[in-house]
Amino acid sequence: DAKTTQPPSMDCAEGRAANLPCNHSTISGNEYVYWYRQIHSQGPQYIIHGLKNNETNEMASLIITEDRKSSTLILPHATLRDTAVYYCIVRPQGGSEKLVFGKGTKLTVNP
Amino acid sequence: ETGVTQSPTHLIKTRGQQVTLRCSSQSGHNTVSWYQQALGQGPQFIFQYYREEENGRGNFPPRFSGLQFPNYSSELNVNALELDDSALYLCASSRDRASYNEQFFGPGTRLTVL
Repeated sequence: DAKTTQPPSMDCAEGRAANLPCNHSTISGNEYVYWYRQIHSQGPQYIIHGLKNNETNEMASLIITEDRKSSTLILPHATLRDTAVYYCIVRPQGGSEKLVFGKGTKLTVNP
Repeated sequence: ETGVTQSPTHLIKTRGQQVTLRCSSQSGHNTVSWYQQALGQGPQFIFQYYREEENGRGNFPPRFSGLQFPNYSSELNVNALELDDSALYLCASSRDRASYNEQFFGPGTRLTVL
């Protein structure tokens, strides 16, 4: 079972920041938080991951709370092409690389 | 650098038949994982292959089997197809088993079982 909880859907206006929350209250000390997204009819796409520090790349920023029980993915200037299902995944370190997906958050960016 | 490719893109089979799906991993990647995604659900892990050997398996029956070849491409075989096997089948490759490497997914094969 997925170890994360996400809202089923969110809306965002084009050009605004999209803030997608994720709860992972049972995360272990050596588990990373990963974010993937899946645009309709495509395979999931890696976005970003982090352990305990905030991370930023060209796609998004990841903010992890100090107790690591929750995180927020931030898309700073959402575009229509960011409409997708966003998955927050807690990933075990070492061993098999399987990803345990939940149902994710369907983000709709509106013009 | 080529991405992950899968074939065929779509497939229709009848119940009881067998199917083989193919995946070519991204250049430089030696690990392939397979996932099943039912409509409206997140992908579910089937199994992973690392250097031609199975390296972890999800909660799928033995009629789901796989292979990885020396060039690290992979096949997913499903025997005795059931209606519930209708889904999008995704493969993902990564540079190694180490967990810090993100996986790159292919576009998937849409299997319909009638």
